[in-house]
Amino acid sequence: NAGVTQTPKFQVLKTGQSMTLQCAQDMNHEYMSWYRQDPGMGLRLIHYSVGAGITDQGEVPNGYNVSRSTTEDFPLRLLSAAPSQTSVYFCASSRSGPGVSPLHFGNGTRLTVT
Amino acid sequence: AQSVTQPDIHITVSEGASLELRCNYSYGATPYLFWYVQSPGQGLQLLLKYFSGDTLVQGIKGFEAEFKRSQSSFNLRKPSVHWSDAAEYFCAVVNNAGNMLTFGGGTRLMVKP
Repeated sequence: NAGVTQTPKFQVLKTGQSMTLQCAQDMNHEYMSWYRQDPGMGLRLIHYSVGAGITDQGEVPNGYNVSRSTTEDFPLRLLSAAPSQTSVYFCASSRSGPGVSPLHFGNGTRLTVT
Repeated sequence: AQSVTQPDIHITVSEGASLELRCNYSYGATPYLFWYVQSPGQGLQLLLKYFSGDTLVQGIKGFEAEFKRSQSSFNLRKPSVHWSDAAEYFCAVVNNAGNMLTFGGGTRLMVKP
């Protein structure tokens, strides 16, 4: 049972480049989300999805896009990378939302934008 | 909007000593509160949660937390800390709709032998 899988583990981008962070879960969870973690700021919600075809913005959505075409996958796209997007990114899923069932986290993607 | 404050950025305790990590929340209604733990290089894992009822909740790994409405607090405690408890701890609150979890800034726990 793989749980939540994030790829890549590390990535370095130049300012202005685009990329996609991948997230896949094999637990048939309806809810999926992306967080970024910065020192002293905890985790901040970027986007979330309550099911296939449904996405919504979190606390810090600017500069990021998401889509949810299947239950299993929830990719995060950086359209034009900026140094302010240097962070550790976590994907998390839960059976029916964090208010009801616990979030299961991936191991993170460390992104550096130069 | 809801918010969570963890006043202590770093805490160091000796192995075997007791532990209390502070958490204060801001929320208009009855909050649903959580504590998560993050080991180095890993994602987060749920320790315990409070929804309603008994204000003292038990979690995994011997942790407990007490909800105090009058103080807007949800402090995490452990009677005797083990070296393996060294990690970063996050308090969190969920919104009314149950679809957005807001985390505090985290408290990094170090354990002295």
